[in-house]
Amino acid sequence: QKEVEQDPGPLSVPEGAIVSLNCTYSNSAFQYFMWYRQYSRKGPELLMYTYSSGNKEDGRFTAQVDKSSKYISLFIRDSQPSDSATYLCAMTTTGGSYIPTFGRGTSLIVHP
Amino acid sequence: GAGVSQTPSNKVTEKGKYVELRCDPISGHTALYWYRQSLGQGPEFLIYFQGTGAADDSGLPNDRFFAVRPEGSVSTLKIQRTERGDSAVYLCASSFGPQETQYFGPGTRLLVL
Repeated sequence: QKEVEQDPGPLSVPEGAIVSLNCTYSNSAFQYFMWYRQYSRKGPELLMYTYSSGNKEDGRFTAQVDKSSKYISLFIRDSQPSDSATYLCAMTTTGGSYIPTFGRGTSLIVHP
Repeated sequence: GAGVSQTPSNKVTEKGKYVELRCDPISGHTALYWYRQSLGQGPEFLIYFQGTGAADDSGLPNDRFFAVRPEGSVSTLKIQRTERGDSAVYLCASSFGPQETQYFGPGTRLLVL
């Protein structure tokens, strides 16, 4: 079992839909949780960053962390075709090198 | 300003050959990371530099892989005796420090025939 599990999709939704992307993890030492967006043939780009449990909102994006369930989510409201990309969750422990452990990514397609 | 750049963007080589992949980090970033991303997978950590020294090389898969950052800026990832299983996208990222946001380059696509 991998430390971070993420459904690869693809997830196909119509424009304007609310999208829910999720990851589960097994290492209870993870404290920092991140979501990256990766367009085709590009490097990942950090979207959201949260520490420990709770919610964080940034425009159309909301990140949720439930440490008791070892489950994190990214919600995208009013999805746009430009949101079509692969979304990677990543997480780190405190201390050490803060090297993130990534999920395999979920491919999202938003069609007009 | 300029982001992280990586050269070459694509590299095709034959099994057993030696390859070098280059990363130019964002100016002023002291931390530099190398990752490998196989098709359909997330980035997998290889090595992390703080300044000129390798602070964490626990992700290097074997002794065929080596990386340097002699002046604390540009880094080169070196792969000896390449194998077909080394085919992947090699990503470089840089940041102001270990807890700071990492900025990724576009990657080098390595294909070993």
